[in-house]
Amino acid sequence: QKEVEQDPGPLSVPEGAIVSLNCTYSNSAFQYFMWYRQYSRKGPELLMYTYSSGNKEDGRFTAQVDKSSKYISLFIRDSQPSDSATYLCAMGGGSNYKLTFGKGTLLTVNP
Amino acid sequence: GAGVSQTPSNKVTEKGKYVELRCDPISGHTALYWYRQSLGQGPEFLIYFQGTGAADDSGLPNDRFFAVRPEGSVSTLKIQRTERGDSAVYLCASSTKGVGQHKYFGQGTRLTVV
Repeated sequence: QKEVEQDPGPLSVPEGAIVSLNCTYSNSAFQYFMWYRQYSRKGPELLMYTYSSGNKEDGRFTAQVDKSSKYISLFIRDSQPSDSATYLCAMGGGSNYKLTFGKGTLLTVNP
Repeated sequence: GAGVSQTPSNKVTEKGKYVELRCDPISGHTALYWYRQSLGQGPEFLIYFQGTGAADDSGLPNDRFFAVRPEGSVSTLKIQRTERGDSAVYLCASSTKGVGQHKYFGQGTRLTVV
């Protein structure tokens, strides 16, 4: 079993839809949880950062962490074609310098 | 600079050759990381520098891979005797020192070994 599991999709939704992206993990030492967005042939760009359990909202994006279930989610409201990208979950332990990434989910938002 | 800069953007090399990939981090960032991203996979950790020293090189796959950061700024990832399995995107990231700091990634170097 990999430390971080993420459904690679692809996921295709119409513009305006609510998108739900998820990851599960097995390492209980993870304390920092991130979501990165990666456009084709670009480097990952940090979207959301959460420490320990709880919710965090930033504009159309909401990140949720449930450490008891070892499950994290990213919700995108009112999705736009410009949101079409690969979304990577990433996690870090006490030092946080080493991130463990999921495989990424390829999202397409159709106009 | 404004962001993390990696050169070259693309590199095609023949099996068995030596390659060097360069990373120029954001000015003032003391921490520098190399990751490797294979097709359809998430980035995998290779090595972490704090200043000039490699604080953790546990992700380097074998002794053909080596990285340096002699002056605590620019870093070079070196791969000897390249193999077709080394083909991937090599990503560099930098951050300020401290736990939980935001890591800024470069656009990557796409290495193809033919």
